[in-house]
Amino acid sequence: DTGVSQNPRHKITKRGQNVTFRCDPISEHNRLYWYRQTLGQGPEFLTYFQNEAQLEKSRLLSDRFSAERPKGSFSTLEIQRTEQGDSAMYLCASSPRFRYHQETQYFGPGTRLLVL
Amino acid sequence: EDQVTQSPEALRLQEGESSSLNCSYTVSGLRGLFWYRQDPGKGPEFLFTLYSAGEEKEKERLKATLTKKESFLHITAPKPEDSATYLCAVAQGETSGSRLTFGEGTQLTVNP
Repeated sequence: DTGVSQNPRHKITKRGQNVTFRCDPISEHNRLYWYRQTLGQGPEFLTYFQNEAQLEKSRLLSDRFSAERPKGSFSTLEIQRTEQGDSAMYLCASSPRFRYHQETQYFGPGTRLLVL
Repeated sequence: EDQVTQSPEALRLQEGESSSLNCSYTVSGLRGLFWYRQDPGKGPEFLFTLYSAGEEKEKERLKATLTKKESFLHITAPKPEDSATYLCAVAQGETSGSRLTFGEGTQLTVNP
């Protein structure tokens, strides 16, 4: 399988705990995105990397959220001091870089977080 | 601010009953419009990318079209396995590789 992979697929945690999610993009895709999706809504953009550089962050990404892509390959998304409002599906997507057109983003299966 | 509105929110069809889903958008400088299919508990699955008004793309029973203000996803003779949520998104930003802004989706149910 050469698609985007995410781990874990499900995470249940208690309020106040820290959690970390991992995303492995499609090989040779240099762009990686994180989105959050709540029930009945479309995905909302969180942040975006080109190689190891974090180029854009949403206002949704509070100080409790941090994302890294240390070697330009996999990425991690950490949420510190989780709150019940953080419960959502966290989606990762990757895309290649084309010169003239907006490249297509391919999504992983997501990590579903439940904060009790 | 860029906005994407999908209608209807939910649609029930009988197998073989063709219909269309709508995606209206407001964006300064469209860099691409995307259609995805999402099954419950899974990530969005890419269907189509449209770049300019008048463009059309087809895949099996699905056909996507684009105008300057909206896009349609036409479903011809749908089957129960076409049941899913269909998401529309627009590329936002001054440069390629930027965020997608999604609509809330249309939940399609096809009854046998």
